[in-house]
Amino acid sequence: AQSVAQPEDQVNVAEGNPLTVKCTYSVSGNPYLFWYVQYPNRGLQFLLKYITGDNLVKGSYGFEAEFNKSQTSFHLKKPSALVSDSALYFCAAGREEKLIFGTGTRLQVFP
Amino acid sequence: NAGVTQTPKFQVLKTGQSMTLQCAQDMNHEYMSWYRQDPGMGLRLIHYSVGAGITDQGEVPNGYNVSRSTTEDFPLRLLSAAPSQTSVYFCASSFQRSTNEKLFFGSGTQLSVL
Repeated sequence: AQSVAQPEDQVNVAEGNPLTVKCTYSVSGNPYLFWYVQYPNRGLQFLLKYITGDNLVKGSYGFEAEFNKSQTSFHLKKPSALVSDSALYFCAAGREEKLIFGTGTRLQVFP
Repeated sequence: NAGVTQTPKFQVLKTGQSMTLQCAQDMNHEYMSWYRQDPGMGLRLIHYSVGAGITDQGEVPNGYNVSRSTTEDFPLRLLSAAPSQTSVYFCASSFQRSTNEKLFFGSGTQLSVL
């Protein structure tokens, strides 16, 4: 079965420190890869996507993601975390009509 | 520009009742979809549409119906509500006939079935 895994339910980081939110996928073909963010009582918002090319993708709010084909991973990163980055983050993979989402990782940034 | 609008925001149903969750977008998007979000399970695709008059099933379609008579609207119907359908429902759209571009999400409908 095709799947997207986010192994950490929660990631805690101090403000100003770098953060990483992990994602691995098992989806056939060459899927497009996405990160979305969800703030409380809101719908998901697009952060960034990877289609092809450079393995480091830059997105909104200073986030970036690193694609590793051999490890089928697409980890979300930010050099310096902000308290306002605290939210639920979803990784997704797919092409065309269907997108498979991971279970989400809650990021908590402490002052 | 309203984006993707979902109504109602909250709904409580009794087992066996039917209802329709509304979704409308004003961006002339071809692709529209419905997801449900459950704790520990992420988002799961219920139904999707790649244009007016075209719908197809996603991962968890049982107990739900959809139709797409216009580009703007994509209602989700619960035929006979069950407690297992207690969830948060999100509608999403994209300007291509696929998910290859980013999805725009509504703010969600929280549904409780007693």
